[in-house]
Amino acid sequence: QKEVEQDPGPLSVPEGAIVSLNCTYSNSAFQYFMWYRQYSRKGPELLMYTYSSGNKEDGRFTAQVDKSSKYISLFIRDSQPSDSATYLCAPGYSSASKIIFGSGTRLSIRP
Amino acid sequence: GAGVSQSPRYKVAKRGQDVALRCDPISGHVSLFWYQQALGQGPEFLTYFQNEAQLDKSGLPSDRFFAERPEGSVSTLKIQRTQQEDSAVYLCASSPSQGNTIYFGEGSWLTVV
Repeated sequence: QKEVEQDPGPLSVPEGAIVSLNCTYSNSAFQYFMWYRQYSRKGPELLMYTYSSGNKEDGRFTAQVDKSSKYISLFIRDSQPSDSATYLCAPGYSSASKIIFGSGTRLSIRP
Repeated sequence: GAGVSQSPRYKVAKRGQDVALRCDPISGHVSLFWYQQALGQGPEFLTYFQNEAQLDKSGLPSDRFFAERPEGSVSTLKIQRTQQEDSAVYLCASSPSQGNTIYFGEGSWLTVV
């Protein structure tokens, strides 16, 4: 079993829709939970991070972590074509230590 | 530059050839990471440096892979006797001593033919 499981998609939704992206993980030692966005032929860029369980909101993006069920979610409201990218969940053990990536979900927003 | 810089961006190597991939981290960043990303997959951890010390090399797939960061800034990932399965994007990332933001470069695309 992989440490981080993520549905690879692809996921295609119309512009303006709410998008839900999810991951599960197996290692209860993870404390930090990141979401990275990766455009084609580019490196991953950090979108959001949360520490331990709870919600964090940043503009149209909301990250949720439920450590009891080892479940990570990213919600995108009012999705835009520019949100079309691969989204990678990435839990980590501690500050500035290595992070483990999911396989990524490819998201396409149709105009 | 302001970001993590990697070179070459693209490399085609003949099977059996040695390659060296360079990473210039963000100035002052203590931690440096190398990841390997196969097509359609998420990045896989290779190795981690804190300054010049290689603290974790558990992800290096074989003894053909070697990484160094002799002066605690620039790092080189070397792959000896390349094989077709080494074809991937090699991503370098750096982070400051404190905090949990890891910044990635755009990667070096290696194709072994």
